[in-house]
Amino acid sequence: EDQVTQSPEALRLQEGESSSLNCSYTVSGLRGLFWYRQDPGKGPEFLFTLYSAGEEKEKERLKATLTKKESFLHITAPKPEDSATYLCAIRPLFGGATNKLIFGTGTLLAVQP
Amino acid sequence: DTGVSQDPRHKITKRGQNVTFRCDPISEHNRLYWYRQTLGQGPEFLTYFQNEAQLEKSRLLSDRFSAERPKGSFSTLEIQRTEQGDSAMYLCASSVLETGELFFGEGSRLTVL
Repeated sequence: EDQVTQSPEALRLQEGESSSLNCSYTVSGLRGLFWYRQDPGKGPEFLFTLYSAGEEKEKERLKATLTKKESFLHITAPKPEDSATYLCAIRPLFGGATNKLIFGTGTLLAVQP
Repeated sequence: DTGVSQDPRHKITKRGQNVTFRCDPISEHNRLYWYRQTLGQGPEFLTYFQNEAQLEKSRLLSDRFSAERPKGSFSTLEIQRTEQGDSAMYLCASSVLETGELFFGEGSRLTVL
């Protein structure tokens, strides 16, 4: 069964304290892996797409990397405005619904000033 | 570009009543998706439209749920005979590319009493 597991469930950092969020996945074939940010009461906001192992994408203080079994979202010198839930999702290559994304439960990040 | 718009933002209803949600996608986006998200969980795929055609439906979409996208523009999601388990945030997303980079609306929160 295709699935996504994110860890930790919650992470509290001091401003400037770098860390990484993990997304492990199982899928028969991967069409893409996605990272989204979600603020409370809002819909998810797209951050990155990764397609193949070894690929990296960067945006401001965030960098996403991908291996064959997991992805990491590295946060360098975070600021309080980076506080949000970070969601990882995969798009399967095979199966009946190839246009759906399968999301993990997210990591709730809190950055304290 | 005004983003994906959803209406209503909040709906409180009694068990057994019917409810309908509306989604207006970004104007040039021909792909439209509905997801459902409960507290502490990631979004779960419900259904996908390309233009006016409903191409994919999740097993989560029971016969009490129906979605339409007449003329390939706005979409509606109707839930008949609501149950307390239907309480969730209903998220609409749209895209123009077949890449999984979805643009989400702010969601319609349903509470069934």
